[in-house]
Amino acid sequence: AQKVTQAQTEISVVEKEDVTLDCVYETRDTTYYLFWYKQPPSGELVFLIRRNSFDEQNEISGRYSWNFQKSTSSFNFTITASQVVDSAVYFCALIGAGNNRKLIWGLGTSLAVNP
Amino acid sequence: DVKVTQSSRYLVKRTGEKVFLECVQDMDHENMFWYRQDPGLGLRLIYFSYDVKMKEKGDIPEGYSVSREKKERFSLILESASTNQTSMYLCASRGSYEQYFGPGTRLTVT
Repeated sequence: AQKVTQAQTEISVVEKEDVTLDCVYETRDTTYYLFWYKQPPSGELVFLIRRNSFDEQNEISGRYSWNFQKSTSSFNFTITASQVVDSAVYFCALIGAGNNRKLIWGLGTSLAVNP
Repeated sequence: DVKVTQSSRYLVKRTGEKVFLECVQDMDHENMFWYRQDPGLGLRLIYFSYDVKMKEKGDIPEGYSVSREKKERFSLILESASTNQTSMYLCASRGSYEQYFGPGTRLTVT
């Protein structure tokens, strides 16, 4: 069975703090893809990143960085120097090569960045 | 940029009405999806389509049907709306593996 767990339901930080959102996954597929999405208060889900199971290099995009570790089945997301505009719900998701039509979603982490 | 549009942002319907939610994508994607999102339950897949006239049930298809007559358009139909179908409905279109979402339709059934 495939599963994505985002243990943090809600996180609240003060602007300029760094924050890490955790994502742990389970899959029996050897080939799979991991994703992060952002859902701001407006409601539209925005694709942030895709990572495949063969590429464990960390990724950095501006203030965002992602740490993929197969050994711990984790794909964590860090926001450096958080800003109020980062306030959103963040979802982690997984798709396996074995059933490559359906995304398996975590329940999301609601991040509040306070001024 | 991928563009996925949904027919309405907000919709209010009465119990028993037939409701159509429409989704259009402009990227010639074969795969399209309908989800509903409820607090504490995350995103749940209702139906998806992998080609014109092809559809497959998701995790919660009961009370819903879909139609895909053209590649760019995927419609979700509530045959007889009920109050427990009050929710946010999200349409998505899939590229290589990632899905691109429309702005969502917040449906209230009274």
